[in-house]
Amino acid sequence: DAKTTQPTSMDCAEGRAANLPCNHSTISGNEYVYWYRQIHSQGPQYIIHGLKNNETNEMASLIITEDRKSSTLILPHATLRDTAVYYCIVRVEKAAGNKLTFGGGTRVLVKP
Amino acid sequence: GAVVSQHPSRVICKSGTSVKIECRSLDFQATTMFWYRQFPKKSLMLMATSNEGSKATYEQGVEKDKFLINHASLTLSTLTVTSAHPEDSSFYICSARDPLRGAFFGQGTRLTVV
Repeated sequence: DAKTTQPTSMDCAEGRAANLPCNHSTISGNEYVYWYRQIHSQGPQYIIHGLKNNETNEMASLIITEDRKSSTLILPHATLRDTAVYYCIVRVEKAAGNKLTFGGGTRVLVKP
Repeated sequence: GAVVSQHPSRVICKSGTSVKIECRSLDFQATTMFWYRQFPKKSLMLMATSNEGSKATYEQGVEKDKFLINHASLTLSTLTVTSAHPEDSSFYICSARDPLRGAFFGQGTRLTVV
């Protein structure tokens, strides 16, 4: 799986959009971009994933650049409960055997 | 609601004893589950891949005799930390992948060895 690079930490204001960048310059054509987050002392939680097109769900939006070498996770209106470590992972989409490899992630602190 | 359940969420044991952690997929069958370990302020480190009906696959540096994995059914994998020592104290997390919905994680088990 391709390696990803994320900022170590980021602060954002409650109610504002939080934009979390991720670089994956060695991504392969069949690798998807996944985002997970981990709130303190809990297991990781799936947020969103995409291949080429931008994606949006009830939690977040994912913007992938045209060359697919980077992406941005957008939390449209950050709340205090969004404080967590956010992991960007790239991996091939396949069946049950495919493991997830976690990098360092971005520690996001949402401040009042 | 949770689709992967991990039990117990917290356990304290004495040095030298063994501890079993269970990971269950609640509404799907998982032929493969994954076990991770996480130290404070660090990322998740994959320990092993649990395969239903066959031997687990361990990552480099993980002692298979220390961390026994059993995946006896399509919905249950167990991790047993044998002869636990204080350095085994950590947050252990399991994951199972539903081919239709993706990967889900358990709530994690905080193990403290005293």
